[in-house]
Amino acid sequence: GQQVMQIPQYQHVQEGEDFTTYCNSSTTLSNIQWYKQRPGGHPVFLIQLVKSGEVKKQKRLTFQFGEAKKNSSLHITATQTTDVGTYFCAGNSGNTGKLIFGQGTTLQVKP
Amino acid sequence: NAGVTQTPKFQVLKTGQSMTLQCAQDMNHEYMSWYRQDPGMGLRLIHYSVGAGITDQGEVPNGYNVSRSTTEDFPLRLLSAAPSQTSVYFCASSKTGQGVSFFGQGTRLTVV
Repeated sequence: GQQVMQIPQYQHVQEGEDFTTYCNSSTTLSNIQWYKQRPGGHPVFLIQLVKSGEVKKQKRLTFQFGEAKKNSSLHITATQTTDVGTYFCAGNSGNTGKLIFGQGTTLQVKP
Repeated sequence: NAGVTQTPKFQVLKTGQSMTLQCAQDMNHEYMSWYRQDPGMGLRLIHYSVGAGITDQGEVPNGYNVSRSTTEDFPLRLLSAAPSQTSVYFCASSKTGQGVSFFGQGTRLTVV
């Protein structure tokens, strides 16, 4: 079945450093979504990418969708302590509302 | 709007007991899903539904049953709880098949 791999599993950075997490799907996706989960919380939607090669920005966050629609990345510039949490990518390959999540990358930021 | 509501928030079960995790949404979303979250494994899809009366299996369906008699509700049943089902369970809903998912607050289940 469809698999979505995400690396790294953990990342510790000093506040102000950049951070990137990568996501790779075994199959071509119709779209990819990114979610953030704060410790003890539930996943909260960040963004959806649909088009091949798409790049979207939200303040210090930059999201990319690969040309083949099988990989994606999230880059955070100049991390802040408020960025702490686990970031998940989730692939959607049909029209069923069925999302396959990556394992997540847990970001720790040292002040 | 309350969004997606899950009950209970915490539950401890003994091995072999049964229980139902409740999930309700008030956004008139057709699509609903159940996930379990275990350390280092992300969120794994248990069952999902594309509308009332229609359900299908996800990645890890064994040991769980679902039904969808109304648009609003999507309960998850554990027929005979096992320690391997200790996890955090999330229910989610989306308006369209490719749309954004909204998650409930989660149910933390421990099976002893």
